[in-house]
Amino acid sequence: AQKVTQAQTEISVVEKEDVTLDCVYETRDTTYYLFWYKQPPSGELVFLIRRNSFDEQNEISGRYSWNFQKSTSSFNFTITASQVVDSAVYFCALSEEMTGNQFYFGTGTSLTVIP
Amino acid sequence: DAGVIQSPRHEVTEMGQEVTLRCKPISGHDYLFWYRQTMMRGLELLIYFNNNVPIDDSGMPEDRFSAKMPNASFSTLKIQPSEPRDSAVYFCASSPVHRAGEKLFFGSGTQLSVL
Repeated sequence: AQKVTQAQTEISVVEKEDVTLDCVYETRDTTYYLFWYKQPPSGELVFLIRRNSFDEQNEISGRYSWNFQKSTSSFNFTITASQVVDSAVYFCALSEEMTGNQFYFGTGTSLTVIP
Repeated sequence: DAGVIQSPRHEVTEMGQEVTLRCKPISGHDYLFWYRQTMMRGLELLIYFNNNVPIDDSGMPEDRFSAKMPNASFSTLKIQPSEPRDSAVYFCASSPVHRAGEKLFFGSGTQLSVL
């Protein structure tokens, strides 16, 4: 079974629109961590954020915000006022305490921001 | 501060040839991971090392794949003989410790094309 599901394969938005990337996870562990990574066209994977299972506070960093809801097992990522430079593939990932540093990645969401 | 360095960035080879991918982890990081990224399967963990010792190679697809880490600053992933289905992006990542929640630092990847 897929531990991390990113149902949106591809999204296109016009510049300055807001966009939300969905991430749903599955775990039996009580201590776990959720991550978002960005993969721009240049190919590298860039770390964006990490949250642990005990901290459900939403986080905002500039135009980026993350909404963590344990009740729905979701960790969604919103980009406000999108820009062309936001065009990338975004990966959500799960790391469980019981499996150490094993990362479970979603299949990614390809975001295209149209100028 | 140098990140994870991979070489080559791109490799094109013919079926049956030996391919060697290289990785230099971040200095001081005791854990090194090799991942493969394909459209069909997303990001898959192939193998990881702790202090140069292979810990889990259960993700290595078959005997044609081998990985070594002769010292703390260098690792190789070898495919011999290569096949077209090995075409993918291969990422190397490192982390300082092995525990849930520790983020991975990724290299830029090697785009492998086997003709």
